[in-house]
Amino acid sequence: NAGVMQNPRHLVRRRGQEARLRCSPMKGHSHVYWYRQLPEEGLKFMVYLQKENIIDESGMPKERFSAEFPKEGPSILRIQQVVRGDSAAYFCASSRSGTGGADTQYFGPGTRLTVL
Amino acid sequence: QKEVEQNSGPLSVPEGAIASLNCTYSDRGSQSFFWYRQYSGKSPELIMFIYSNGDKEDGRFTAQLNKASQYVSLLIRDSQPSDSATYLCAVIYNAGNMLTFGGGTRLMVKP
Repeated sequence: NAGVMQNPRHLVRRRGQEARLRCSPMKGHSHVYWYRQLPEEGLKFMVYLQKENIIDESGMPKERFSAEFPKEGPSILRIQQVVRGDSAAYFCASSRSGTGGADTQYFGPGTRLTVL
Repeated sequence: QKEVEQNSGPLSVPEGAIASLNCTYSDRGSQSFFWYRQYSGKSPELIMFIYSNGDKEDGRFTAQLNKASQYVSLLIRDSQPSDSATYLCAVIYNAGNMLTFGGGTRLMVKP
């Protein structure tokens, strides 16, 4: 019973490059959430998606960041033209449903992005 | 702004003791409360969730919720060195789905 999968686990990019982070939810889960944890800071919500829909992107930076969850395949968090301040751990979580607080989010192992 | 507050610690307890972790939240519209454990360099791992006022027990863990006072706590009985980690309190507010996290409390259990 595979958990949430994320890849790559570690990603190194130079300033100005693009970063693509992938997340496959747990089996039976159709709701995906992305969170970011900056060094020595707490976890912050970024975006909530269902298949082919962005439900809540209130935590996403206005520029350079985008997310999708296509009908087929994993959810992707894309960061264009990365800057050093984007260096962080990016965690994906999934839940079976999005019924308010009635469903629990399980986290993947995270992708640790380092921008040189 | 909806906030979740935790004492950053470290909270140091001897092995076998009870560790008590506390969390307060700002919005009375909060409906669901979660405790996650995060080891250094790892991802958050769910320990417990609680929705109703009162206590909820699961093994060595007890979550306590008091909505009138807007706090939620986690008790760890018979603490073990392997419990040493950062404990994250998280809240889901009404009509929302995102988890709002506190900054975490670092727990150290000394043998």
